[in-house]
Amino acid sequence: GESVGLHLPTLSVQEGDNSIINCAYSNSASDYFIWYKQESGKGPQFIIDIRSNMDKRQGQRVTVLLNKTVKHLSLQIAATQPGDSAVYFCAETPLYMLTFGGGTRLMVKP
Amino acid sequence: NAGVMQNPRHLVRRRGQEARLRCSPMKGHSHVYWYRQLPEEGLKFMVYLQKENIIDESGMPKERFSAEFPKEGPSILRIQQVVRGDSAAYFCASSPALAGGRYEQFFGPGTRLTVL
Repeated sequence: GESVGLHLPTLSVQEGDNSIINCAYSNSASDYFIWYKQESGKGPQFIIDIRSNMDKRQGQRVTVLLNKTVKHLSLQIAATQPGDSAVYFCAETPLYMLTFGGGTRLMVKP
Repeated sequence: NAGVMQNPRHLVRRRGQEARLRCSPMKGHSHVYWYRQLPEEGLKFMVYLQKENIIDESGMPKERFSAEFPKEGPSILRIQQVVRGDSAAYFCASSPALAGGRYEQFFGPGTRLTVL
């Protein structure tokens, strides 16, 4: 289930289940969005991006959905694996400066 | 094909000292961005540079902080007279030229600055 921790909301899922991580973005002028994965002690790692002229984009095991009407992004991870455990950030930009959301910690239970 | 490189990975300074953080972008990338991250928070934009030019420094404090990206060598983020509140992880990202559209930013491993 999903819970709000002291700082980061945490999503706990069973290995093999699908995960959905949500993000509300703030700038209606943003037209490029990226999901990043950050493991402890490391820099953000690109997962998938989407431009505002699309509402869905699929990668390998990941799908990003964009709803511009309500300024909402989601990241779907299929068949979640222990290696997916990390903090996930959405980022938006109208030009080049990335604005990051607050992040969601994904914990995968074996 | 090496990714974005940052050094040092960890830096400890006493209050009042200078901190100098280095970033070498990916090969072929001419755009560099610096971000700061506090624990359990997202990254916050500081400055955007191209070779020998500061394009946007709107996220960087006006005092004590400076950044450069010389024609030769790495990009440097310099913090003078550090204070405890400067303790954070500093990430550098790079991207290729923006002509024809925006490109994803590739991040380095970060420098963790601790001010005693």
